[in-house]
Amino acid sequence: NAGVTQTPKFRILKIGQSMTLQCTQDMNHNYMYWYRQDPGMGLKLIYYSVGAGITDKGEVPNGYNVSRSTTEDFPLRLELAAPSQTSVYFCASSYNRGENTEAFFGQGTRLTVV
Amino acid sequence: GQNIDQPTEMTATEGAIVQINCTYQTSGFNGLFWYQQHAGEAPTFLSYNVLDGLEEKGRFSSFLSRSKGYSYLLLKELQMKDSASYLCAVKVDYKLSFGAGTTVTVRA
Repeated sequence: NAGVTQTPKFRILKIGQSMTLQCTQDMNHNYMYWYRQDPGMGLKLIYYSVGAGITDKGEVPNGYNVSRSTTEDFPLRLELAAPSQTSVYFCASSYNRGENTEAFFGQGTRLTVV
Repeated sequence: GQNIDQPTEMTATEGAIVQINCTYQTSGFNGLFWYQQHAGEAPTFLSYNVLDGLEEKGRFSSFLSRSKGYSYLLLKELQMKDSASYLCAVKVDYKLSFGAGTTVTVRA
């Protein structure tokens, strides 16, 4: 059971370039999330999805886009990379059908925009 | 928005006990989670509280008071491997909002 898998693990982008951060989970979780974590800061929610075909903005959505065409996959798209998007990005998923609905995290993507 | 506060850093000695406090002011409440995050790694789940009171899991315990908007994580019999960041998170509807984390350093 792989859990939540993110690719790539590391990436350096030039200003203005675009890229897609991939996230897939094999736990049949309905909820999926994208967070960014800056040094010394907590996790900030970028986008989330409560099921295939449904996405919504979190706290810091500007400069990002997402899609959720399947239950398993939740890619995050950066269209015009900016230095302010240098961060560590975590994808997470959870199964929201009960009380204790812990989120499982991927290993993160460390992105540097230069 | 959600406001979740916890201390930035704490230091303790191996074998001791440390208590990490978390206060929150949120627009709703569907549970409070504690996560552990070692440097350079992903957060991993430690505990969950949705009702007032204490939840114990081995060396770790977590307490919740919903009326006070307050929780704490208690780490007992500290080990060197417990040196990490501890994240308090509050679930509101579908979303999980995190505090900035408390870095705990365990000294020999």
